Amino acid sequence: GAVVSQHPSRVICKSGTSVKIECRSLDFQATTMFWYRQFPKQSLMLMATSNEGSKATYEQGVEKDKFLINHASLTLSTLTVTSAHPEDSSFYICSAKGQPTNYGYTFGSGTRLTVV
Amino acid sequence: GIQVEQSPPDLILQEGANSTLRCNFSDSVNNLQWFHQNPWGQLINLFYIPSGTKQNGRLSATTVATERYSLLYISSSQTTDSGVYFCAVPPVSGTYKYIFGTGTRLKVLA
Repeated sequence: GAVVSQHPSRVICKSGTSVKIECRSLDFQATTMFWYRQFPKQSLMLMATSNEGSKATYEQGVEKDKFLINHASLTLSTLTVTSAHPEDSSFYICSAKGQPTNYGYTFGSGTRLTVV
Repeated sequence: GIQVEQSPPDLILQEGANSTLRCNFSDSVNNLQWFHQNPWGQLINLFYIPSGTKQNGRLSATTVATERYSLLYISSSQTTDSGVYFCAVPPVSGTYKYIFGTGTRLKVLA
């Protein structure tokens, strides 16, 4: 079945630094990928939609300059948290829509970001 | 925008018990999924069920799209069923831009 690999699973960084999270579709081409954010004991909130070869579409309230998304190939999307602050600490999850689409989303295993 | 509410928000079961989780959505949808998020955060796709009933082992799900709700049944619960259960629906017909429900946090006691 479709597999999405997300790395790293955990990262701790200092305030002011940038962190890159990778999301790869391993056995299918992901024309569209989605990035979600989840705060403790809360639901998943869609941050942005990335389409291969074009600019990402950000949800209302998400800072595009802070959360840089790049979807340069059909198998890789990256999320870079720039100038991270403690309030950016969260669980980030990617998902992909590939072909065929009969089974909906496939999700990565998530990245727990802690900014100290 | 579309609202997705789940009930109950929290549930504690003794191992072996059965339960029903509910997902209500405020607008018509043609797509719905149920997910299980395990204690490590991994999201597992349980069902893709825009309508009708599906079963997979001890789990089954029913969606009544005309009445805007879906139910997830867990029978003979096990401790490994613990975690958070989410339903998700797309707000715009034909897209996969899912909106997640509020979640049901399940704990199964041995």
